[in-house]
Amino acid sequence: EPEVTQTPSHQVTQMGQEVILRCVPISNHLYFYWYRQILGQKVEFLVSFYNNEISEKSEIFDDQFSVERPDGSNFTLKIRSTKLEDSAMYFCASNEVSSYNEQFFGPGTRLTVL
Amino acid sequence: AQSVTQLGSHVSVSEGALVLLRCNYSSSVPPYLFWYVQYPNQGLQLLLKYTTGATLVKGINGFEAEFKKSETSFHLTKPSAHMSDAAEYFCAVSDGNTDKLIFGTGTRLQVFP
Repeated sequence: EPEVTQTPSHQVTQMGQEVILRCVPISNHLYFYWYRQILGQKVEFLVSFYNNEISEKSEIFDDQFSVERPDGSNFTLKIRSTKLEDSAMYFCASNEVSSYNEQFFGPGTRLTVL
Repeated sequence: AQSVTQLGSHVSVSEGALVLLRCNYSSSVPPYLFWYVQYPNQGLQLLLKYTTGATLVKGINGFEAEFKKSETSFHLTKPSAHMSDAAEYFCAVSDGNTDKLIFGTGTRLQVFP
């Protein structure tokens, strides 16, 4: 069964460093998302991406964040200068059609900023 | 703005007992509602969803949920818990105008033998 994959599973970085979290969505999906979950808190929407551009972003998704689909398979989230409060589990999701269709989630990348 | 409230961050049941996980939502437009499950070290997996039509929705692994507009609720139930149901369960809402999901804080289900 096709699935969303994410690498790495755990990333440890120093404050101020740049990190890139990688996702491979399901191959025929067109809509891509990033969510994050700070430990003990709810899963929060960060950004949605369609047709090579951001379709919606939350107030969390400030200028330190960017997303890219550098090739036909990968979908990346870059944090330019990490802060302690960026420590969280980051989930990538994709779906075939927008709106209420099922979003398929990856296993997540745990980011720890020291 | 939409929001989701899940009552009870932890629920414990005995194997074979009824599972009831509560979810209430707030939405100014007809909502789309979802339940996701997360097993340890895995991603979020869709259990079931309500978009339109029948208000009692059946999902995978014997779970079902009923959309009650008058109570703004979408509680998740399973008649008989199994040890393998132990996981974290998330309720989520979407308004259909955007495709982002708004999640609740999650409920950790423990099943005792």
